[in-house]
Amino acid sequence: GQQVMQIPQYQHVQEGEDFTTYCNSSTTLSNIQWYKQRPGGHPVFLIQLVKSGEVKKQKRLTFQFGEAKKNSSLHITATQTTDVGTYFCAGGNQFYFGTGTSLTVIP
Amino acid sequence: NAGVTQTPKFQVLKTGQSMTLQCAQDMNHEYMSWYRQDPGMGLRLIHYSVGAGITDQGEVPNGYNVSRSTTEDFPLRLLSAAPSQTSVYFCASSTAISGEKLFFGSGTQLSVL
Repeated sequence: GQQVMQIPQYQHVQEGEDFTTYCNSSTTLSNIQWYKQRPGGHPVFLIQLVKSGEVKKQKRLTFQFGEAKKNSSLHITATQTTDVGTYFCAGGNQFYFGTGTSLTVIP
Repeated sequence: NAGVTQTPKFQVLKTGQSMTLQCAQDMNHEYMSWYRQDPGMGLRLIHYSVGAGITDQGEVPNGYNVSRSTTEDFPLRLLSAAPSQTSVYFCASSTAISGEKLFFGSGTQLSVL
């Protein structure tokens, strides 16, 4: 089946530092989605990317879809404590999810 | 507007017991799915359905059954619970199998002793 890997698995940052998580697929993806899961909560949709090389921004969050549509990244500028949680990418058919990156922000 | 409703929130089973996790959505979504979440392994797809009467297996279907008799409901049955099925289970729905956002329920924390 389709495999979507994410790195890193964990990331601890000081508040105000930047954060990036990467998502890599073994196959070309028709689209990629990003979700955020707060501790104790459920995943919540953030954004979807469809086009090769696409870049989308949501305030301090920047999402990119690779030219080959096999990888994606989420970059958070100047992290805040409200950014704490696990970030998942999900790609292709049947919504196969990556392993997630757990972000801890140290005040 | 309830969205995706899962019950129960917590459940403890003994090895060998059976149970059904309930999932209902009120958004008229055709696509529904079940995931399990284990530490370090992300969300793994158990079973999914693209409409009433249609179900299919995901990555980790063994030990679980599903049925979809209505658009709204998609229950997940554990036939004979095993400790390896200790996990957090999420139900999700969407308007389509791909390309549309997933709406998740609040999850069920299951422990099998």
